Amino acid sequence: DIVLTQSPDSLAVSLGERATIHCKSSQSLLFNNNYLAWYQYKIGQPPRLLFYWASTRVYGVPNRFSGSGSGTDFTLTISSLQAEDVGLYYCQQHFSTPTFGQGTRLEI
Amino acid sequence: QVHLLQSGPVVKKAGASVTVSCKTSGYVFTMYGVSWIRQAPGQGFEWMGWINTSEGHRNYAQKYQGRVTITADTSTSTAYLQLANLRPDDTAIYYCARDDVGLTGRSWFAPWGQGTLVTVSS
Repeated sequence: DIVLTQSPDSLAVSLGERATIHCKSSQSLLFNNNYLAWYQYKIGQPPRLLFYWASTRVYGVPNRFSGSGSGTDFTLTISSLQAEDVGLYYCQQHFSTPTFGQGTRLEI
Repeated sequence: QVHLLQSGPVVKKAGASVTVSCKTSGYVFTMYGVSWIRQAPGQGFEWMGWINTSEGHRNYAQKYQGRVTITADTSTSTAYLQLANLRPDDTAIYYCARDDVGLTGRSWFAPWGQGTLVTVSS
């Protein structure tokens, strides 16, 4: 299985500051597109899809969120952290049997 | 509006089987696969398997081969997860999710059901 490793495991960012989460894949996820998605997870709710194809933002996701990267290295960036952005963030690959990163906890 | 509604929480004894249902609405059921994903307490997400709701083809994670069965009832647009021979470490929230790409079996997941807590006691 493809292993996704996120860094850091947890991150504390001040309101209005930038938050950056990394996701590294054990093998390339690129085949025409990058087979990587990002989710936001809050306790008691199902995960919310933020990005697919690594950088395509889902309708309704604020544009302070951006996804980037290609091949084996990917980044989720929140340009100006808001209080409602607190939670856990996961990357997921669908290049082969789906796997998830271990998650990054984002706090203020 | 696409919606996936799962059955309620369940408590089972070790060795028993559990079935979780996932009733979908708001889209054509047979145009998208359904995956099952679980999250053990304090852990991340683990994909368990997938069903092609049009043809019935299934693919399971190797870890669950022999214990898991995923089925779909096209007449009610409902998918089911059955997990047999339960162990205490099967205690988890089980989610169904629509394969948003369609029927390829290689997809991101959107939306997800609300989750079903399955507790397995020894």
